[in-house]
Amino acid sequence: AQRVTQPEKLLSVFKGAPVELKCNYSYSGSPELFWYVQYSRQRLQLLLRHISRESIKGFTADLNKGETSFHLKKPFAQEEDSAMYYCALSEANTGNQFYFGTGTSLTVIP
Amino acid sequence: ETGVTQSPTHLIKTRGQQVTLRCSSQSGHNTVSWYQQALGQGPQFIFQYYREEENGRGNFPPRFSGLQFPNYSSELNVNALELDDSALYLCASSLVRGASVTGELFFGEGSRLTVL
Repeated sequence: AQRVTQPEKLLSVFKGAPVELKCNYSYSGSPELFWYVQYSRQRLQLLLRHISRESIKGFTADLNKGETSFHLKKPFAQEEDSAMYYCALSEANTGNQFYFGTGTSLTVIP
Repeated sequence: ETGVTQSPTHLIKTRGQQVTLRCSSQSGHNTVSWYQQALGQGPQFIFQYYREEENGRGNFPPRFSGLQFPNYSSELNVNALELDDSALYLCASSLVRGASVTGELFFGEGSRLTVL
């Protein structure tokens, strides 16, 4: 069963425009949600996790349990934000199996 | 601090052969997970090793097996290779400390396997 859905494979925005990468999940237990990012020629790395409630590189993501969503947002996109973004879910307090979405490739147009 | 390293970076095998992929975890990490990433897909969980024991397994057949060594490095073995096994295999290490789990995976750059 698909646990994490990222509906957009490709997303292009202009520099300075707001950006939102969508993520919906399906999980009956207590999930932890994450966003991982892969910049060009770099390895996959953690961007942020919902329990931290931090803003990383200007990005924020709010867990909406009612809508089962964890959308990633940034008010003003920068060229260096161009990358592949993966939403991921794991069961809380286990750190065991992560379920990844299919990813969204973000291109910020100068 | 040494990051996650994987070897080999690329390899080509034929159907029916066997392959072993290797991973050295980040220093201080005690858990290794393996993921398969097919083209255009997100990483799919194969299994995780903690204290040299398998600690969770995804929906992969038994011909996918693994090991973790006392120094926390790990191997992924795939027997009887099939064409669909062609993918990028990612190793990720993390730190599990009792009931506290960091939840952050540190990934290697992957081993790209092509099965002909």
